[in-house]
Amino acid sequence: KAGVTQTPRYLIKTRGQQVTLSCSPISGHRSVSWYQQTPGQGLQFLFEYFSETQRNKGNFPGRFSGRQFSNSRSEMNVSTLELGDSALYLCASSQGGRETQYFGPGTRLLVL
Amino acid sequence: QQQVKQSPQSLIVQKGGISIINCAYENTAFDYFPWYQQFPGKGPALLIAIRPDVSEKKEGRFTISFNKSAKQFSLHIMDSQPGDSATYFCAATSGSNYKLTFGKGTLLTVNP
Repeated sequence: KAGVTQTPRYLIKTRGQQVTLSCSPISGHRSVSWYQQTPGQGLQFLFEYFSETQRNKGNFPGRFSGRQFSNSRSEMNVSTLELGDSALYLCASSQGGRETQYFGPGTRLLVL
Repeated sequence: QQQVKQSPQSLIVQKGGISIINCAYENTAFDYFPWYQQFPGKGPALLIAIRPDVSEKKEGRFTISFNKSAKQFSLHIMDSQPGDSATYFCAATSGSNYKLTFGKGTLLTVNP
């Protein structure tokens, strides 16, 4: 089976812009989670989707949003980008959310 | 509030030695404790995981020791190899929230 794929792999934006990141889970996996990874804060949970429904959300401002489509693919959006949003954004998929989560390679976002 | 504390931040071990990474948690609702390995430029990959009904789990050179009363768990890497050089994250999750709470990570360097 193909692994979790994320596009794009690298992105450079300027402050105030918005960005959309995409994640395709492993075939058959219905749960998709998003994490932000930074050197200072480590890996932090953003949100989790299952069958197009958000089941849990981390402590991030409303500028961070996501959605999941009927084919389980997911997107996350960050509006009004700030310098502090520069990070590696990781997507993980699992069959139902409680099992092993498989991570993609991430999208590295740089905000200038 | 950091719910999973991981130590040390960095670790240097000679080839053939034992690497030990420790984690402590606060939330007694946590019931699944995975360890992830991350190489530069890659997403985290599941290494080994344990549930609190067992005190130890071994897979090859990797062993998790779990102490439920102390709310601590540790990863032991036996016969450490240069290829084990990576960042290791402990994590925890509970049955109802579908999210992984990660430790801050340990950068392991195994010298040849």
